[in-house]
Amino acid sequence: KQEVTQIPAALSVPEGENLVLNCSFTDSAIYNLQWFRQDPGKGLTSLLLIQSSQREQTSGRLNASLDKSSGRSTLYIAASQPGDSATYLCAVSPYYGGSQGNLIFGKGTKLSVKP
Amino acid sequence: GAGVSQSPSNKVTEKGKDVELRCDPISGHTALYWYRQRLGQGLEFLIYFQGNSAPDKSGLPSDRFSAERTGESVSTLTIQRTQQEDSAVYLCASSYVRGEAETQYFGPGTRLLVL
Repeated sequence: KQEVTQIPAALSVPEGENLVLNCSFTDSAIYNLQWFRQDPGKGLTSLLLIQSSQREQTSGRLNASLDKSSGRSTLYIAASQPGDSATYLCAVSPYYGGSQGNLIFGKGTKLSVKP
Repeated sequence: GAGVSQSPSNKVTEKGKDVELRCDPISGHTALYWYRQRLGQGLEFLIYFQGNSAPDKSGLPSDRFSAERTGESVSTLTIQRTQQEDSAVYLCASSYVRGEAETQYFGPGTRLLVL
């Protein structure tokens, strides 16, 4: 059974710091891995999607890497800002032999960036 | 364009009552997912609809939970005889199936509180 773990559960940093959020998964048979952002009272916003054949994806100050063989992904946030404060969720799409099924989520890392 | 919408945004009900939650997916998205997020927990997959195929109901926690979707339009999630442990945020997502590149787009959720 696929399990997704995120470390740390919470993180508080001063504005301007670079930071890394970690995600690990137990089964390497995945279609893709996605990072989402969740703001209080709102839905999830997709940040980055890394396909199983890819190693990393970048969007602005965000960079996500994927190492399928070791079951790990990291989300790197450069020059953090108070507006980055949110809960970051990692999710994997398990391989169902031809069609994507549901996403399996970690419990998230709650990030607080202090001015 | 319009994103995924859900209604109601909040619902308070008494134990034992039935509730119906609604999801309007993004137009043209053939896949629709329901998840729930209980306090302090990660998102849990409930059910998945893909076009006219039989839905994947493997995540439904009990037979009190059911969902319907007509074609590629609106979906309703029904919880019968609600229990306090059903209290959670129920999130709906839709996507256009594109294999490994598929991204799910989430609605804002329905916050259900069972007293």
